[in-house]
Amino acid sequence: GENVEQHPSTLSVQEGDSAVIKCTYSDSASNYFPWYKQELGKRPQLIIDIRSNVGEKKDQRIAVTLNKTAKHFSLHITETQPEDSAVYFCAAPTQGGSEKLVFGKGMKLTVNP
Amino acid sequence: NAGVTQTPKFQVLKTGQSMTLQCAQDMNHEYMSWYRQDPGMGLRLIHYSVGAGITDQGEVPNGYNVSRSTTEDFPLRLLSAAPSQTSVYFCASSYSLSNQPQHFGDGTRLSIL
Repeated sequence: GENVEQHPSTLSVQEGDSAVIKCTYSDSASNYFPWYKQELGKRPQLIIDIRSNVGEKKDQRIAVTLNKTAKHFSLHITETQPEDSAVYFCAAPTQGGSEKLVFGKGMKLTVNP
Repeated sequence: NAGVTQTPKFQVLKTGQSMTLQCAQDMNHEYMSWYRQDPGMGLRLIHYSVGAGITDQGEVPNGYNVSRSTTEDFPLRLLSAAPSQTSVYFCASSYSLSNQPQHFGDGTRLSIL
């Protein structure tokens, strides 16, 4: 089955700096790679996702890159702001993208003003 | 649309009691799933359903039952609650399968004494 590992587990940056979160996955058949943001006490919410036929995707200050050969994908946040402080989860589906979505353990990002 | 609605938001049970966590969605999504979230463990899949009448096990199914009699509802049952089931439970839905954006409910915080 799929194994998703996320690094680092915590990250603290100054406002305006960039942050990068990396995830590795084990199932070479996985074809969909989402990132979720969870603020304290709230539900996880999708912030960006990428499919295996694309190498990079951007949405304003956030971007996701995918390296299928190395089986890793990364979330990049530029010009960080205090409201970016949250826990970020990556995920990948098992069995070629069918029925089970496996999440990483999450990374707590703190943006200091 | 209300999205994904979970009830109750909080519950305290005694060991051995049973209860049902409710989940309903009004987006006509085929795929629904239940996760539990424990500190440092990310989101772990309990059970999922790819459509009415079809359910299957996730990573941590022991101690939980589910059913899917309608497209809208996907209740999670604890038959005999144990302290190890103390957790935050999230229900999620998506248009189809796991390789689509997941819409999460607000969660149920469950404590087993």
